[in-house]
Amino acid sequence: DTAVSQTPKYLVTQMGNDKSIKCEQNLGHDTMYWYKQDSKKFLKIMFSYNNKELIINETVPNRFSPKSPDKAHLNLHINSLELGDSAVYFCASSHGPLSSGANVLTFGAGSRLTVL
Amino acid sequence: QQQVKQSPQSLIVQKGGISIINCAYENTAFDYFPWYQQFPGKGPALLIAIRPDVSEKKEGRFTISFNKSAKQFSLHIMDSQPGDSATYFCAASMKAAGNKLTFGGGTRVLVKP
Repeated sequence: DTAVSQTPKYLVTQMGNDKSIKCEQNLGHDTMYWYKQDSKKFLKIMFSYNNKELIINETVPNRFSPKSPDKAHLNLHINSLELGDSAVYFCASSHGPLSSGANVLTFGAGSRLTVL
Repeated sequence: QQQVKQSPQSLIVQKGGISIINCAYENTAFDYFPWYQQFPGKGPALLIAIRPDVSEKKEGRFTISFNKSAKQFSLHIMDSQPGDSATYFCAASMKAAGNKLTFGGGTRVLVKP
């Protein structure tokens, strides 16, 4: 039973389109994250939600909009896709920011987005 | 500003050899230093972690050495095996920043049989 699952695993789309990536965790964690991994493997945090509340919002274009309907789900919607958005997007989860396990992240398998 | 700098970017080691990856950090408020291992097509997974009150932590063939005064920490993989071939990321976090993890740039390790 996958702990952090994200769909789709692969996404190929044209510039200018809008797409979404979904993430679900069954670990009972309070906090969820989106990370972007570029072609050089660099991992950069984009957003973090704790119990459906946005707590980290890094310098990300406002074309990216996360949504957390409940603490087990965190989706990422991207408008007007650009070539530079091509990357692997990882969802992750952890215990809440004040918990002892807050800095232990469990990652999903990633969603590879290719913008043509 | 890259708060956690990792080197080398890539590493090739023979089976049975020692792989050493180094990380340096700038912010002395960091209080947790994990290493994550990522296989191709998978997400990173926690491998081993250390807090600054100890200088070394060992789990099986993996050892973290921590030098607080130099603001450096390293991962040693003893008796490296082909199955250890992966990308390794060091990271750092601090309670004051909500335990947000800041990752190093990653090191691709290839263990040749």
